[in-house]
Parts: sequence; C-alpha cells; structure tokens
Amino acid sequence: DIVMTQSPDSLAVSLGERATINCKSSQSVLYNSNNNNCLAWYQQKPRQAPKLLIYWASTRESGVPDRFSGSGSGTDFTLTISSLQAEDVAVYYCQQYYSSPLTFGGGTKVEIK
Amino acid sequence: EVQVVESGGGLVQPGRSLRLSCVGSGFNFDDHGMHWVRQAPGKGLEWVSGISWNSDSIGYADSVKGRFTMSRDKAKNSLYLQMNSLKTEDTALYYCARDKQGGAGLRFYGMDVWGQGTTVTVSS
Repeated sequence: DIVMTQSPDSLAVSLGERATINCKSSQSVLYNSNNNNCLAWYQQKPRQAPKLLIYWASTRESGVPDRFSGSGSGTDFTLTISSLQAEDVAVYYCQQYYSSPLTFGGGTKVEIK
Repeated sequence: EVQVVESGGGLVQPGRSLRLSCVGSGFNFDDHGMHWVRQAPGKGLEWVSGISWNSDSIGYADSVKGRFTMSRDKAKNSLYLQMNSLKTEDTALYYCARDKQGGAGLRFYGMDVWGQGTTVTVSS
C-alpha cells in the first residue's frame, strides 16, 4: 500500500499570508500513460463533508478559488494557499489514486494566527 | 442538483451486519466510479471501497477486505455497502462519493461529489 505522509500536522497563518502544506508518498504516483501524478487535495471544514480542490496534483477543480494551487511530482507534493482567507480554516488532506487501496494523508489543520 | 445521499447507518452490536445505501441524482450514475470513505470520530479520512462504473472492478481497504462488500444497482442509481462481522473500530461517519471518471480497472481520478454521510456505531 502507498503511504501518504503530510506535514505539518497543523499550522497557523495570518490573514493574507501564504500557507504551505506538504505531502509525501511512499512510492511514485506518476501515471506513465498520461504523465500525470495521481494526487488529489481535499478541504474539510468543521462539520462538513470533504471538498475536492485539486486533482492530477495541480489541476484546480471547477469553482475553486485561484489562491489554491498544487505542485510537485513523483513522491513530493505541495498545496499552497497564496493569501489565506478566514473561510480557508479547515483540515486539508492529500490522497493518492495511483493504485488500490486508495490512501489519504493524515491531514493538516490550518488556522488563523 | 448533482448530489449523493447516504442512508442505513445506526447502532449495531459487534459481530452483526449492516447495509448502507447511497442514491445518486442529477447526473448520469452509470458514467462514474463510486466510493465509500469513512471518518472515525475526531480522526482523518479512510478510503473503504471503490467500484467502477460497470461493477467490473471493485477494490477494498485491507481493514475491511473479506468483511465488507460493495455493489451498485444501475436501475436504481444506487450504491451499497454490505458490512458483516462489524468491529468496534468500524465506528465512523461513512461517506458516499462520486469519482470524476468511470473507474475502469480501478483507475480513479478523484472524488468530486460527496454526501453528508451516515453514522455507524458498533458497540455492545
């Protein structure tokens, strides 16, 4: 099974500042057939279901603000919130869909400093 | 409106069975792979099972393999999770989620529509 490790577990960022979340997979999730990384990012606000933000490591889901961006390849990935807004307070999860069983990272809690 | 709605959760004793259901609406159910994802109280997300659009491919987490069975009914736009030999560690909020693609060969693309979940509590 592919193990997904996120860091940090939590971070506090001032409004308008940048937030960076890291995700590392125990093996490459690069899908050679289309040269895309099978990596998604989700946002889960308190008492809500998760919401897909990013797939293929860097493709923003429709309707997601452009302050959210994903980068990385192979085994190392990053989710960046360029200018943190109050509504971005949430737990963020990375997930690989390269192979079954699909696996999630442990989550990163983002709060306002 | 595109949505999925789960049902069937409840309180059950260890070793007993429970069947969860999920109904999709507002989209062509047959075009999409589907998933069950769970979240234990205060914990993170855990993928439980996924199924391709035509049911040819079904995958399970190691923690439920041999105990849980996922299926879908094309005519009813429905997804099911038959949970047998339940354990206390199966206690969680169970989400139904749609995959962005068909999931053929367990090739999934990300979960873009989620329900609000149904709670399963396993306790004596």
